Amino acid sequence: DAGVIQSPRHEVTEMGQEVTLRCKPISGHDYLFWYRQTMMRGLELLIYFNNNVPIDDSGMPEDRFSAKMPNASFSTLKIQPSEPRDSAVYFCASSLARFQETQYFGPGTRLLVL
Amino acid sequence: GENVEQHPSTLSVQEGDSAVIKCTYSDSASNYFPWYKQELGKRPQLIIDIRSNVGEKKDQRIAVTLNKTAKHFSLHITETQPEDSAVYFCAANINQAGTALIFGKGTTLSVSS
Repeated sequence: DAGVIQSPRHEVTEMGQEVTLRCKPISGHDYLFWYRQTMMRGLELLIYFNNNVPIDDSGMPEDRFSAKMPNASFSTLKIQPSEPRDSAVYFCASSLARFQETQYFGPGTRLLVL
Repeated sequence: GENVEQHPSTLSVQEGDSAVIKCTYSDSASNYFPWYKQELGKRPQLIIDIRSNVGEKKDQRIAVTLNKTAKHFSLHITETQPEDSAVYFCAANINQAGTALIFGKGTTLSVSS
């Protein structure tokens, strides 16, 4: 298995532009998580899905952020419009639905908003 | 909601020494406590975890202890090596049935030879 796949690995954009981050979880995993990592705030849980259904989006910072999971093998995190303070590394992780299983992280997308 | 505090934020040790990182959590319903290691520019990776039905778990040079009464857990690394240098994160699950995690702010461990 290739593990969790994220694209793009790096994204540089200008303030006000739309940004779409993509994630492919490990095949067979039922949970998918989106995290944001910054020096100031550490690793923050933004939203997570179970069987493609959003369970908790209380970590999404603003309405500018949205996430979807149209099928078991694909999820997107969209920021529209982007702002410089959105600059961070965004990680996607997945895990099995069984009781308290390991979360496997993707390589992350490093986003810079100018 | 769950809150996880982690100390220290930085830790410097000599090769061969032991390193201890401590975390406290707020929600007594949490029952799963993993530790992740993140090397510079890489993804976080699980190194060890502990569930609330045990007090200690070991895996070679690393061990984790859990005190449910005091709501704190610790990571112990013995015989540290330069390749142990990384950021270490503790975490706790948000609710008893779920796998969603809240992470501590991380500890930067530096092992000098």
